[in-house]
Amino acid sequence: GENVEQHPSTLSVQEGDSAVIKCTYSDSASNYFPWYKQELGKRPQLIIDIRSNVGEKKDQRIAVTLNKTAKHFSLHITETQPEDSAVYFCAASIDGGSQGNLIFGKGTKLSVKP
Amino acid sequence: DAGVIQSPRHEVTEMGQEVTLRCKPISGHDYLFWYRQTMMRGLELLIYFNNNVPIDDSGMPEDRFSAKMPNASFSTLKIQPSEPRDSAVYFCASRRTVSTDTQYFGPGTRLTVL
Repeated sequence: GENVEQHPSTLSVQEGDSAVIKCTYSDSASNYFPWYKQELGKRPQLIIDIRSNVGEKKDQRIAVTLNKTAKHFSLHITETQPEDSAVYFCAASIDGGSQGNLIFGKGTKLSVKP
Repeated sequence: DAGVIQSPRHEVTEMGQEVTLRCKPISGHDYLFWYRQTMMRGLELLIYFNNNVPIDDSGMPEDRFSAKMPNASFSTLKIQPSEPRDSAVYFCASRRTVSTDTQYFGPGTRLTVL
């Protein structure tokens, strides 16, 4: 089955710097890759996702890139702010069909220091 | 849209007691997922349903755990008897089969077993 590895497990940056979180997946059939942000004591919430028919997607300060050949995808946060501090989870799935579940990475705790 | 609803939000019980967690998915969503989150093990998928039918329960830790989905708008996760190691945050999530959608998480139930 699918396995998702996420690195680093913790990341500390200065406000205004960029942050990059990387994930690799094992099942080449996976074609949907969402990223979730979980603030302390809150639920995971989708912040951005990408499908395998595109290589990059941006939403303001957040971008995700996908390399299907290498089977890895990354989350990029530019101009980080203290409110970006949270745990970020990547996930992978085979979208549609009979498999509806996401396989999550272990999470990255991002700390943005003012 | 009220989002995924979970109850109770917090539960404190003593070892050996039965615990029942409840979830109401978003209307129209035909997949429902139960997750458990701890610091040590991260976000674990316990079981998921499609159209009220359990599809994969391989994540259920042991026979003390059971889940049901009697109709499209209600699911329960039961632990009997509960043990201190069951203490965690339990999330319910739902999604539609439509390929452009993703999972939406409920607020979670924080369970403490003394």
